[in-house]
Amino acid sequence: EEQLVESGGGLVQPGGSLRLSCSASGFNFRTLPMHWVRQAPGKGPQYVSAIRSNGDKTYYTDSVKGRFTISRDNSKNTLYLQMNSLRPEDTGIYFCVKKPYDTSPFDVWGQGTVVTVSS
Amino acid sequence: EIVMTQSPDTLSLSPGDRATLSCRASQTVTYNLAWYQQKPGQAPRLLISGASTRATGVPVRFSGRGSGTEFTLTINSLQSEDFAVYYCQQYSNWPTFGPGTKVEMK
Repeated sequence: EEQLVESGGGLVQPGGSLRLSCSASGFNFRTLPMHWVRQAPGKGPQYVSAIRSNGDKTYYTDSVKGRFTISRDNSKNTLYLQMNSLRPEDTGIYFCVKKPYDTSPFDVWGQGTVVTVSS
Repeated sequence: EIVMTQSPDTLSLSPGDRATLSCRASQTVTYNLAWYQQKPGQAPRLLISGASTRATGVPVRFSGRGSGTEFTLTINSLQSEDFAVYYCQQYSNWPTFGPGTKVEMK
């Protein structure tokens, strides 16, 4: 069974940092690009970031560019999201997701980890 | 960025009713449109891809249609487990999601 398990969320003050992790199993992690999607309370999901299978290229939504860094460790089947200079509008559930090929929807989602940015 | 809109915001229906949900894209996405179901405390679950192809294990009462900028998700004979929020998502380019339609029990 393909599975994604996130961790690392929590309560942080504005301007603070968090590092999210996503542990993957049940599929060939090292061959697939991986992604982060977030969902603010009561809102639709928002695509945040992506990384190619070998980590050589990364992508970010405009609102997190320069503050978030996506990375991966293929030897550990783990995806990361380093979040710096956090803002209240970054509050939400962060999901690690995969899709089977480039032009496809997201077929597997983790359970999500909650990030709350508040003083 | 392609903007997705959904209507209505909420549908109040009874078990056995038919639900019709609409999704519109701000520019064409051809058939690169997916529908997800989300229940409280859970991650979204993929229902439909390619505008009309049911994902593995999705009941036949769920059907999708449309192309270009206009799409519809129909749920025939609503079951109790179908009351949830439904999102459309385009994956023609940078993925974007709609704001959702809540299907609630009348």
